[in-house]
Amino acid sequence: DAGITQSPRHKVTETGTPVTLRCHQTENHRYMYWYRQDPGHGLRLIHYSYGVKDTDKGEVSDGYSVSRSKTEDFLLTLESATSSQTSVYFCAISAGTVGYEQYFGPGTRLTVT
Amino acid sequence: AQSVTQPDIHITVSEGASLELRCNYSYGATPYLFWYVQSPGQGLQLLLKYFSGDTLVQGIKGFEAEFKRSQSSFNLRKPSVHWSDAAEYFCAVADGGYNKLIFGAGTRLAVHP
Repeated sequence: DAGITQSPRHKVTETGTPVTLRCHQTENHRYMYWYRQDPGHGLRLIHYSYGVKDTDKGEVSDGYSVSRSKTEDFLLTLESATSSQTSVYFCAISAGTVGYEQYFGPGTRLTVT
Repeated sequence: AQSVTQPDIHITVSEGASLELRCNYSYGATPYLFWYVQSPGQGLQLLLKYFSGDTLVQGIKGFEAEFKRSQSSFNLRKPSVHWSDAAEYFCAVADGGYNKLIFGAGTRLAVHP
């Protein structure tokens, strides 16, 4: 299995509080991604990174920000959590683009009350 | 816009029966296609991928998929299903230069003994 960990694995927070999810990899892969999984929608891309300090928005980026200060860590922040951000969040990594698959972490289940 | 459609939300098969999960994509250029499997409470595992060449691709766990450009389809098949195949299956297409994935909504497979 690819060396990807996510922390925390479960979190319950209140509306309006900031939340940071961490993705850590030991594969030294250049590309990292954050997805959210919701019933009926599959997985949708929130943000991605193509190098240290290089990030861009995905399909559902509103209300989220990211940072990547080291190759191995990709942080997802919800500045002010809302109930609509209750979801399961997955981090993925890839060694390249064309011809490369993504490897997924175990996920973080976030509940916003 | 690029999209992936999995027409079947739930499928139930008997153990030992054959399986076909449907996937249709909309993509302007040559698609790079993937099938992932997710067991309950787990992350996603890559079953197989198509980039070019042979239109019939073999994957892990006895799965195969056939790319049909004329039908914009990439259906997943298995000749004999095992109870351990019960899971959710996602089809995805890579979008753009940074290998961002667009997922279908998923098909949940139940296997009856």
